[in-house]
This record gives sequence, structure tokens and C-alpha cells, in this order.
Amino acid sequence: AQSVTQPDIHITVSEGASLELRCNYSYGATPYLFWYVQSPGQGLQLLLKYFSGDTLVQGIKGFEAEFKRSQSSFNLRKPSVHWSDAAEYFCAVGLSYNTDKLIFGTGTRLQVFP
Amino acid sequence: SQTIHQWPATLVQPVGSPLSLECTVEGTSNPNLYWYRQAAGRGLQLLFYSVGIGQISSEVPQNLSASRPQDRQFILSSKKLLLSDSGFYLCAWMEGLNGYTFGSGTRLTVV
Repeated sequence: AQSVTQPDIHITVSEGASLELRCNYSYGATPYLFWYVQSPGQGLQLLLKYFSGDTLVQGIKGFEAEFKRSQSSFNLRKPSVHWSDAAEYFCAVGLSYNTDKLIFGTGTRLQVFP
Repeated sequence: SQTIHQWPATLVQPVGSPLSLECTVEGTSNPNLYWYRQAAGRGLQLLFYSVGIGQISSEVPQNLSASRPQDRQFILSSKKLLLSDSGFYLCAWMEGLNGYTFGSGTRLTVV
């Protein structure tokens, strides 16, 4: 069955440090990939998405993600974290044979220290 | 522009009471609509989705039901709430391959 794994439940970084959040998927074909961010008590906001083409995609708020087919990964990165980036981050996969639904990972909670 | 409205924002209900959460979308027609539940530490669980009026697909057997009485309206209901129904409920719509746009969520506490 298709699945999405975010191996890091909780990550803590210092403000200004670089960040990488991991996401791995299990799917036989090339999926559609998404990263969402959720501030406490809020809905989810789309950061970026990958469908095809350039495997390095740029998103909002200075985030980027790289699709690596050989590793079945779509890791989210930011070169310098700001305190306002503290939130929960979700990776999601859309399946090419059924674009009606997204499968979400369990999320990574990011804490930023000043 | 497209917007999605979800209400109420918070709700405290006693066990055994009914539930009705409403979600409406503006600025689009015939959207795919979704209800997700987010429990602490468990990510997002898809409960129901709808591709049109009166068309409901249930992903997980449970104490909840969903209805789509109008093109841009999606309702989550329960006749009798259980303690395990507590959680954060999110409505979303998806247009094509643009991913989801989420509502702001409803925090439901069953006491």
C-alpha cells in the first residue's frame, strides 16, 4: 500500500540554522508531492509541490524541496530558519492513478530556539 | 478567488449529543471536498470525500457521517458523539492537481 513516512516527529533548531525535514514515500510510480505547514490551531497551508520537471522546487517563505527518485524522498529545506517557522510540517503524496486524494505523513513538529 | 469557510472554530459537546460541522467553498464550482480528522500525534486521517452533490465516499468506518446537499457545501455529522470523536476537524477542497486548500479547522472536545 502507498504510504508516506516522516521519520522525525520533533526537531529543534536554533534561529538562523539550516533545516532539513525528511519525507519518504512508498509508491511504484512517480507521485505528486506536497509539503504543508500548520501553525497551532490553524488549518494547513501549502508550501510547495512537485509534479514533474526540475526536481528542486521552490516554495513560499524561503522553503525548497528536492525530489530524489532513487531514494523515494522529498525532503524540505531552508537555509536559515526564523522563529516564525515554528510549526508542524506535513508531507503528502498524490497518486497518479487517483488524484482525488492525498496521503499525508504523520508530521514533524519544528521548534525554533532564539 | 477561492475561499473555504469552516465553522464553528471550537466546540465542546457532551457524550451522546449530536454534531454538525459545516464547510462551504466560494469561488469555484464542482470542487472535490474532504473531511479530515487530526488527532494528537496521528497526523491527518481522511474521513470522507465527495466529488459531487450527494456523492460521499467513506474512508474509515466510524461514528460519523457526511452529506453534500449543495455543490459547495459539505457537512460532517454524528447522531451521538463518543469521547473518541474528539479531535481537530479539517475541511479541504482540491481542484485538479493543485493540492488541497484547507479550512481553518474545528477543535471538537467531547466531554
